[in-house]
Amino acid sequence: DAGVIQSPRHEVTEMGQEVTLRCKPISGHDYLFWYRQTMMRGLELLIYFNNNVPIDDSGMPEDRFSAKMPNASFSTLKIQPSEPRDSAVYFCASSFNFGGEAFFGQGTRLTVV
Amino acid sequence: AQRVTQPEKLLSVFKGAPVELKCNYSYSGSPELFWYVQYSRQRLQLLLRHISRESIKGFTADLNKGETSFHLKKPFAQEEDSAMYYCAPREYNFNKFYFGSGTKLNVKP
Repeated sequence: DAGVIQSPRHEVTEMGQEVTLRCKPISGHDYLFWYRQTMMRGLELLIYFNNNVPIDDSGMPEDRFSAKMPNASFSTLKIQPSEPRDSAVYFCASSFNFGGEAFFGQGTRLTVV
Repeated sequence: AQRVTQPEKLLSVFKGAPVELKCNYSYSGSPELFWYVQYSRQRLQLLLRHISRESIKGFTADLNKGETSFHLKKPFAQEEDSAMYYCAPREYNFNKFYFGSGTKLNVKP
């Protein structure tokens, strides 16, 4: 298994545009997490899913952010409209079973200009 | 509210010196504690978890429930230990990993 795969690796977009980040978890993992990493705040948990169902989205900063998991092998994080303060590295992680180790993707570096 | 504190943003030591990366947590329940590491240009990965009570790459971490701390220690730092380290309590009942703001360890030759 290639591990958690995120795309794109880098994204530069203009303020106001829609941005979609993608994640493919490790096959068989039933938990999926989205994190945002910034210098000021470190790693923040945005949302996590269990068996494709969102369990806790209390970390999603505002309504401009939305996340979906239509099936066990794919999730998206969408920002619409994007703002410069959304610039960060976004990580996806997956884990097997309750309490399992979280495996991280390589992240998507988002720059909103 | 749940909180994780890593007081040092940057820690610089010389090769062969002892190193301690501090982590304090504030939790209402009984979390499980992890340390994750991110080497340059690599993914964030698990270093160790407190229930394993094991030493990984010479690192150990002891959970002190009285002080609510989970400091990461290594007696003799190596240059290859230079990385970003994150303390991560897991909220047991909800399988949520929280991460501290991270400590960048720089081991100088």
